[in-house]
Amino acid sequence: QSALTQPASVSGSPGQSITISCTGTSSDVGGYNYVSWYQQHPGKAPKLMIYDVSNRPSGVSNRFSGSKSGNTASLTISGLQAEDEADYYCSSYTSSSTLHVVFGGGTKLTVL
Amino acid sequence: EVQLVESGGGLVQPGRSLRLSCAASGFTFDDYAMHWVRQAPGKGLEWVSGISWNSGSIGYADSGKGRFSISRDNAKNSLYLQMNSLRAEDTALYYCAKKTEPTTLGYFDYWGQGTLVTVSS
Repeated sequence: QSALTQPASVSGSPGQSITISCTGTSSDVGGYNYVSWYQQHPGKAPKLMIYDVSNRPSGVSNRFSGSKSGNTASLTISGLQAEDEADYYCSSYTSSSTLHVVFGGGTKLTVL
Repeated sequence: EVQLVESGGGLVQPGRSLRLSCAASGFTFDDYAMHWVRQAPGKGLEWVSGISWNSGSIGYADSGKGRFSISRDNAKNSLYLQMNSLRAEDTALYYCAKKTEPTTLGYFDYWGQGTLVTVSS
């Protein structure tokens, strides 16, 4: 199972917006609206930020938004804050096999 | 409050076995699929294995196929991962994660804190 493709790193200044891309195939990202995004701070467990491409769980700031076009999903963080500095992972349902899950390689967000 | 507490990790020699456990509480365990996800030191998340609510569907990543075996005991609200023929590349923090659906679909809404497995001679 191939991992989804994410940029290794992105950066932005406080108050700016950044976008993290997540590219897959028609068997995962492009074929289904089941993309989720997770935030992970150092030494902590991942935290769900976006599910089903563009939905935010209760308690997640509306500065976080998700979208998808073709085989590429995107996570946008607006009004960057220092606490947004973390690793971000996308994940998708994949039709390759029952119960299989595929993750992206992760993107390190640095708030300058 | 949902809690997932992993245990069973440790230092093990290559070729040996280890059994990880995940104790779940705060939700109806047998309503949801459960998964194991690992993270090697300094690396990204890697899906390891998943099991449906009734153990009727099971999946493994290629890296563990034939060596790892996932199971669950709904009466004990527990998830397990039996890992055999361990290799150095299995060294990682192993997370137990809860899905929002009973089988294939859904996403991970809760994660444990992980249990560290180190494979070394």
